Amino acid sequence: SAVISQKPSRDICQRGTSLTIQCQVDSQVTMMFWYRQQPGQSLTLIATANQGSEATYESGFVIDKFPISRPNLTFSTLTVSNMSPEDSSIYLCSVVETVTYGYTFGSGTRLTVV
Amino acid sequence: SQQGEEDPQALSIQEGENATMNCSYKTSINNLQWYRQNSGRGLVHLILIRSNEREKHSGRLRVTLDTSKKSSSLLITASRAADTASYFCATDAWGAQKLVFGQGTRLTINP
Repeated sequence: SAVISQKPSRDICQRGTSLTIQCQVDSQVTMMFWYRQQPGQSLTLIATANQGSEATYESGFVIDKFPISRPNLTFSTLTVSNMSPEDSSIYLCSVVETVTYGYTFGSGTRLTVV
Repeated sequence: SQQGEEDPQALSIQEGENATMNCSYKTSINNLQWYRQNSGRGLVHLILIRSNEREKHSGRLRVTLDTSKKSSSLLITASRAADTASYFCATDAWGAQKLVFGQGTRLTINP
């Protein structure tokens, strides 16, 4: 199965600043997914990122707040912009396995905004 | 949202007992998957069951799927302390090409 390297693993940021999270996959994948997990909650899909096209955002998430880049088939970044304490969450990237159709997740970025 | 419901929200049992978690969802699915998450870290894929399957086994895990009731269950037999984690079901709807997660069950195995 794919191996995903996600960084940073955690960060504490000041409100009003931005943080960029990176995910590197050890194989080429068509789609990458970005999820948010608020404290004590389940995962919510932010957007789906395809290489060479704009990301598709879910209801409640906008590109100005969560810009995504997908420069090639193995890499993607998610930026959390103009952060507020409400953005404190775990952010995870994910890819779907082409053989099993299960999803593999990065280890997550635990973000705290103060 | 087609986000599903899981019950119970929390389950605490003794080591060696069986643990059963249930998941309900709202729309037609291609498959349903179960994941484990330890202490807010990354998720681990446990098992996938397709919409045309009714039961699937993997080691100590048994998953059932009832598409007429739009529900699934995960049974962990002979539980161990290392099974302590949060368990999530997630549905992959036809044509959606994305996973939608249930609310999760926090399982605690007491030694």
